[in-house]
Parts: sequence; structure tokens; C-alpha cells
Amino acid sequence: GQSLEQPSEVTAVEGAIVQINCTYQTSGFYGLSWYQQHDGGAPTFLSYNALDGLEETGRFSSFLSRSDSYGYLLLQELQMKDSASYFCAVRGNTGFQKLVFGTGTRLLVSP
Amino acid sequence: DVKVTQSSRYLVKRTGEKVFLECVQDMDHENMFWYRQDPGLGLRLIYFSYDVKMKEKGDIPEGYSVSREKKERFSLILESASTNQTSMYLCASSLQTRGNQPQHFGDGTRLSIL
Repeated sequence: GQSLEQPSEVTAVEGAIVQINCTYQTSGFYGLSWYQQHDGGAPTFLSYNALDGLEETGRFSSFLSRSDSYGYLLLQELQMKDSASYFCAVRGNTGFQKLVFGTGTRLLVSP
Repeated sequence: DVKVTQSSRYLVKRTGEKVFLECVQDMDHENMFWYRQDPGLGLRLIYFSYDVKMKEKGDIPEGYSVSREKKERFSLILESASTNQTSMYLCASSLQTRGNQPQHFGDGTRLSIL
């Protein structure tokens, strides 16, 4: 089976940097993805890591360590609009694009 | 942009009814998925389909079935709705390639079973 753990809630202030961690246990591993979901909205894809290291996309970066079964999403220069839920998701070693999602981290950004 | 459209934003049904949730995507994606989302539990996969008439069980398929008669449409069926199926239901689609392909989600259907 597969399971992912992430903190339930993180708070930060505008302009700060915040890191959302994700640890996973999987029988196979093909990559770690991150999705953002605003209240009442659809989840949207943010980033993907298949190999160890840091992937940067603007203010957001994602890191993966396969040996530690660990990854994180780093959000810099936080803005109020970054208040949302963030989900990590693992793709197992299958031929399908099937994901297992974590329970989500709610990020609250205050002024 | 990929558009995934779910037929209803809100739906109220009664216990024992047969309920159909419809999802349509406009990008010729091979894969389509149905999830339910509950507070504290994240997104859990109910069923997915990788081609017309093909389906695979996800992690929580009990009490549900699916239909994919056309590539663009994926239906979730609650055979006999029960109160514990009250939830937010999300449909998603993606391309089927060897590399990673992001899933594109619809806005969800909030289903209440009374």
C-alpha cells in the first residue's frame, strides 16, 4: 500500500518563506507531485519531482529525497493569495498515471 | 486550457436512490479519475479509466460503479445511495504517456444524501 503524511496546518505572514513537508511510504515510487486547492476550487498542479533535488518554478520550489522518502514544497515571498490547501501525491510504479494523495496541509497567510 | 466539466455543483438525493455524476473533458485525455474528498482525509481514488470501456478500481470502490462509453465522458454511479456517501466528488483527467502528466480537475460536485 501507499501512505503519505503532511502537517494538517501551517501559518505564516506575508513576505515570509514556508516549507510544507511530505513523507511517504510506497511499494513503488515513480514521482512526487504537489497540488494547490483554494477553498471551493479545483486542485491545480504545481510541481513534480522524479529525481532527487530541487525543482524551482517562480516563487515555488519542490524538493525530493528518495532515500529518505521525503519531499517538501517551499513557498517564498508569501502572498495572501497563497492561502490554500496543498497536497502531495505519489505515483507508484505502474503504467497508469494513478496518484495517491496526502491528507493536505492548510496554509494560512496573514497580513 | 484543459477543461473538465462536472454536470452539477451541488446535488441532494435520498437514501436508496441511484445517483449519476457526470464528467466531461475536452482535451482528448486517455485517463479519467473519480475521487471523493472529505475533511482530514484528502482525495481518495474511487475508480479510474485509461481508455473507453476500460476501468480500474481505486482505493475505495465499494458502493460505486463507473461507465466510460465515450472518451470524453466518465460517469460515476452510486447504485443505492447511503448517507456515508455524502461528500465532495472530484473528477480529473490526464494524458497517458511514459512521463509525468498532471491531472486536471473539475470544480467538484458536493453531494448530500438525506
